[in-house]
Amino acid sequence: SQTIHQWPATLVQPVGSPLSLECTVEGTSNPNLYWYRQAAGRGLQLLFYSVGIGQISSEVPQNLSASRPQDRQFILSSKKLLLSDSGFYLCAWGGVVSGANVLTFGAGSRLTVL
Amino acid sequence: GQNIDQPTEMTATEGAIVQINCTYQTSGFNGLFWYQQHAGEAPTFLSYNVLDGLEEKGRFSSFLSRSKGYSYLLLKELQMKDSASYLCAVKDSNYQLIWGAGTKLIIKP
Repeated sequence: SQTIHQWPATLVQPVGSPLSLECTVEGTSNPNLYWYRQAAGRGLQLLFYSVGIGQISSEVPQNLSASRPQDRQFILSSKKLLLSDSGFYLCAWGGVVSGANVLTFGAGSRLTVL
Repeated sequence: GQNIDQPTEMTATEGAIVQINCTYQTSGFNGLFWYQQHAGEAPTFLSYNVLDGLEEKGRFSSFLSRSKGYSYLLLKELQMKDSASYLCAVKDSNYQLIWGAGTKLIIKP
């Protein structure tokens, strides 16, 4: 069966520091992978998605970037964090569940920028 | 613009029935999803509707009317563990998911 791992679960970072969140998927090959951000009181915001190694589509211009160095690895990065980067970050992969293309999410990473 | 509307918060009693509504205005329609999200956790898939009508899955049912841009999630025999946020999401003509802000459901004994 497919599983998705995301880490770290929680982190507190100062403004201007770098960021690296990692996500890996097991049990499937060539998955579509996604990074979302969830802010309080707002819908999930798609940040990046990837359909294959080295293929990244950015949905929202900002100081974040994503990379996919391996088939089942997706990384979210920043060189210099802003206060507005605080939020709950979710990695997901797209697969078929009960006949529908469904997103399965990792456990999430809660980022607080101080 | 594209928009998904759902109530911010609802309260219900254990053992009762609750209906969470979702209305949408999107550029095209390729399916509607409901996800459950417990506090501090990731969303998990509940149901999918692409045709009009009711989809039943145990205590949970989801209804869709494409002509009205409307869906609801019906939860029966409420249990305390059903306290969570319920997210409505629509896949538009480009197969991009548009998400509502979620409905926080509070279950009281």
